[in-house]
Amino acid sequence: DIQMTQSPSTLSASVGDRVTITCRASQSINSWLAWYQQKPGKAPKVLIYKTSSLESGVPSTFSGSGSGTEFTLTISSLQPDDFATYYCQQYKTYPYTFGQGTKLEIK
Amino acid sequence: QVRLVQSGAEVTKPGASVKVSCKASGYIFTGQYMHWVRQVPGQGLEWMGWMNPSSGGTKYAQKFLGRVSMTRDTSINTAYMELTGLTSDDTGVYYCARDSYVGFSGSFSFDSWGQGSLVIVSS
Repeated sequence: DIQMTQSPSTLSASVGDRVTITCRASQSINSWLAWYQQKPGKAPKVLIYKTSSLESGVPSTFSGSGSGTEFTLTISSLQPDDFATYYCQQYKTYPYTFGQGTKLEIK
Repeated sequence: QVRLVQSGAEVTKPGASVKVSCKASGYIFTGQYMHWVRQVPGQGLEWMGWMNPSSGGTKYAQKFLGRVSMTRDTSINTAYMELTGLTSDDTGVYYCARDSYVGFSGSFSFDSWGQGSLVIVSS
């Protein structure tokens, strides 16, 4: 199985900060990577697909980049609604696998 | 708009089975894969497999082979996921999620999710 490793596991930041979350795959997944946001008690919501494509309705403060085995999710200016847990997911190879999550907390 | 509405919480005993339903609306049910993902308490997300609602074909994660069955009833636009041989390790929230790819020659991210169904396995 392809292992997806996110860093950091927890990130403390303030409104207006620029933050970056990293996701590393144990083998190349080309660009078949998505990012999800999950809030407590809610289902995940897709933010980015195919590494850098912004899902419709998602603010442009979110962006994704990378290829192969290393990927990043960047939030250019944190808003109060952005404090949540973020997951990366590869969909190149079965079984599809997720990272362990990055919890973004208010500093 | 696209909606996936799942069945309610279930409390069941070790060794039993559970069947979760996912009713789709707002799009052509038979046009896109339906995936199932679970989230065990304190852990992340785990992909269980997909079902092709048009053909009924399935692809399961190796971990769940022999224990999981994904089916559908196209007359009521509903997908089902049944998990047998439950243990306490199966306690968690189970989600259905639509594949964003229209058609069945590929698979993409998951663009719509159900609200989740809590399954508790306890003696």
